[in-house]
Amino acid sequence: KQEVTQIPAALSVPEGENLVLNCSFTDSAIYNLQWFRQDPGKGLTSLLLIQSSQREQTSGRLNASLDKSSGRSTLYIAASQPGDSATYLCAVTSGGGADGLTFGKGTHLIIQP
Amino acid sequence: NAGVMQNPRHLVRRRGQEARLRCSPMKGHSHVYWYRQLPEEGLKFMVYLQKENIIDESGMPKERFSAEFPKEGPSILRIQQVVRGDSAAYFCASSPLREVNTEAFFGQGTRLTVV
Repeated sequence: KQEVTQIPAALSVPEGENLVLNCSFTDSAIYNLQWFRQDPGKGLTSLLLIQSSQREQTSGRLNASLDKSSGRSTLYIAASQPGDSATYLCAVTSGGGADGLTFGKGTHLIIQP
Repeated sequence: NAGVMQNPRHLVRRRGQEARLRCSPMKGHSHVYWYRQLPEEGLKFMVYLQKENIIDESGMPKERFSAEFPKEGPSILRIQQVVRGDSAAYFCASSPLREVNTEAFFGQGTRLTVV
C-alpha cells in the first residue's frame, strides 16, 4: 500500500528565503507525482506535475525534483513571499491498477513579512 | 472554460439526514474522482467514475455512500443517514484522461458539517 510522507509538517520562514519541502513515498512504482497548494478553506491548485520518466519540473520560482528510485521528491521555492503562505501537498499516482492520487498530509508554510 | 464546479460549498445536515454533493467537471473532461479530507488528515481517494460507469470505488465506505456520474448532468456523491464522523471536506477532481497519465484539476470542495 502506497504511503506518502511530507516533512516538515509546518515551516515558518522570513520573506525572501529559499526553502525546500520534502516528500517521500514507499512504493517507487509511480506514474507521476504532483505538488499542490491548498489555501485555508479552499480547493487545491496544481503547481507542478512530474511524470515518472522525468527528473524535475520548473514553474516560475518553483522547482520540483523527483528521484523515483529512492522514493523522494522535493519542492524548492525561491525568494519566498508572504503570498506563498499555504499548505503544500504532495501526491502520487501509483501503479498496480490503483486509481486516484495518494496524498501526504502536507506542509503548512508561513512566510513572515 | 470554467474549472471544476462543486456545490454546495457548505452543507449542514442533522444526523440521519441525507447529503448530496454535486460536481461538474471541466468542459471536455469525462473522468471524475472524489476525495475526502477529514480534519487533520490528508486527502483520501474515494471513487473514480467515468460517464455512467464506476471504475474504482475501493476508497468508498461500503455502507451509506454512493456515487454516480450520469450521461447528462453532474457527478453526485450521496451520503445516506449521515453521522458526525462524515463531517469533512469533500473534493472532486476531473481529468481529460485517466488520472495516471495526466494532471488532475480540483474543485473548491464541499464542506459537510453534521450536527
